Amino acid sequence: GAVVSQHPSRVICKSGTSVKIECRSLDFQATTMFWYRQFPKQSLMLMATSNEGSKATYEQGVEKDKFLINHASLTLSTLTVTSAHPEDSSFYICSATTSGGAAYEQYFGPGTRLTVT
Amino acid sequence: QKEVEQNSGPLSVPEGAIASLNCTYSDRGSQSFFWYRQYSGKSPELIMFIYSNGDKEDGRFTAQLNKASQYVSLLIRDSQPSDSATYLCAVRRFQGAQKLVFGQGTRLTINP
Repeated sequence: GAVVSQHPSRVICKSGTSVKIECRSLDFQATTMFWYRQFPKQSLMLMATSNEGSKATYEQGVEKDKFLINHASLTLSTLTVTSAHPEDSSFYICSATTSGGAAYEQYFGPGTRLTVT
Repeated sequence: QKEVEQNSGPLSVPEGAIASLNCTYSDRGSQSFFWYRQYSGKSPELIMFIYSNGDKEDGRFTAQLNKASQYVSLLIRDSQPSDSATYLCAVRRFQGAQKLVFGQGTRLTINP
């Protein structure tokens, strides 16, 4: 159980275009989903926390107009990187948590590697 | 002081030995503690979580929590080359908090 999927796994786009990444919880309802970014040889950086049906809470320094998050249902959250630039190239990972867990543990998706040319 | 600190390593352990990974945290009120394993180029995978003082065992893995000293550790018995990865310690700071605070991770290498 506790499987989280992400799509696409890898995407290459041109500078100035937008990219949408989907995160789905496959076998549980995710009360909260999280979006992280990870640069090479660095730890995870939390970008935002997303609850179903409400606006996402962004971490300090993360541009909410650039990284659009939609959490339309208890099993789906999307991250749209708008007007992407080469510095947005990174590994984007979502995670999901359920209120049924003993410690509200987070389960991670496989990640999406974004390359902006 | 970082909220969650780990020795970045690399930590080298011979195959079959016990690997010991340590993590300290600054917020004494922290509630839950997690160990994730991350292989290069992959996303983190939950290994264990613990929220009570003492030891918690799961197969070859043992998590140890000492709230008075504000540290949590992960022991890997009978280390295998497949255990070579970066291990991330994460802390949930308070009851009801949704997000986790991650350490920088410790890179572990098991030498055959």
